[in-house]
Amino acid sequence: QQQVKQSPQSLIVQKGGISIINCAYENTAFDYFPWYQQFPGKGPALLIAIRPDVSEKKEGRFTISFNKSAKQFSLHIMDSQPGDSATYFCAALYDYKLSFGAGTTVTVRA
Amino acid sequence: DSGVTQTPKHLITATGQRVTLRCSPRSGDLSVYWYQQSLDQGLQFLIQYYNGEERAKGNILERFSAQQFPDLHSELNLSSLELGDSALYFCASSASTGLYGYTFGSGTRLTVV
Repeated sequence: QQQVKQSPQSLIVQKGGISIINCAYENTAFDYFPWYQQFPGKGPALLIAIRPDVSEKKEGRFTISFNKSAKQFSLHIMDSQPGDSATYFCAALYDYKLSFGAGTTVTVRA
Repeated sequence: DSGVTQTPKHLITATGQRVTLRCSPRSGDLSVYWYQQSLDQGLQFLIQYYNGEERAKGNILERFSAQQFPDLHSELNLSSLELGDSALYFCASSASTGLYGYTFGSGTRLTVV
């Protein structure tokens, strides 16, 4: 049972474009929402995270938008670069345990 | 280097065998988590230990077991291996609550033939 639903499964964007990945959850007890970036052959690495009392958080070219009432959150990658090509996972934390979305493979074309 | 060390990086073994995967958490982290990543299942939580005690259990098969030792390193034991157990196994560690995210190791790729 996937507690965090992530879409799309994959996306292709041109260099300089915007990548948008969406996630939805049901458990209102989740209290921390991180995004992880994973390159082939590597473990996931924390990219950016948000608490549910904040509607938006920006770090460089990466922005999380959080809609508590809709139980949805999204990652925006601005000015996408070839080096951003990776798999991105949203996640949600409750009771010390992270539940992950299924992942989105982002390909940035030069 | 994330600070979380997993060994071995690759493991090839036959069906029915038993293997042990090892994880050393980042310095100061008390919690260790094990995840299985396969192509069709994504990142699946297996089990969590906190300071030597089992804290949470996920979709871990009865053939699998884990423990965390007094020096905080952890081992995941997989027995009676089946072809379907082939996957990447990740260990992650965190400070007590995981509130600031986990730090993942580079994983162990297990291939069962």
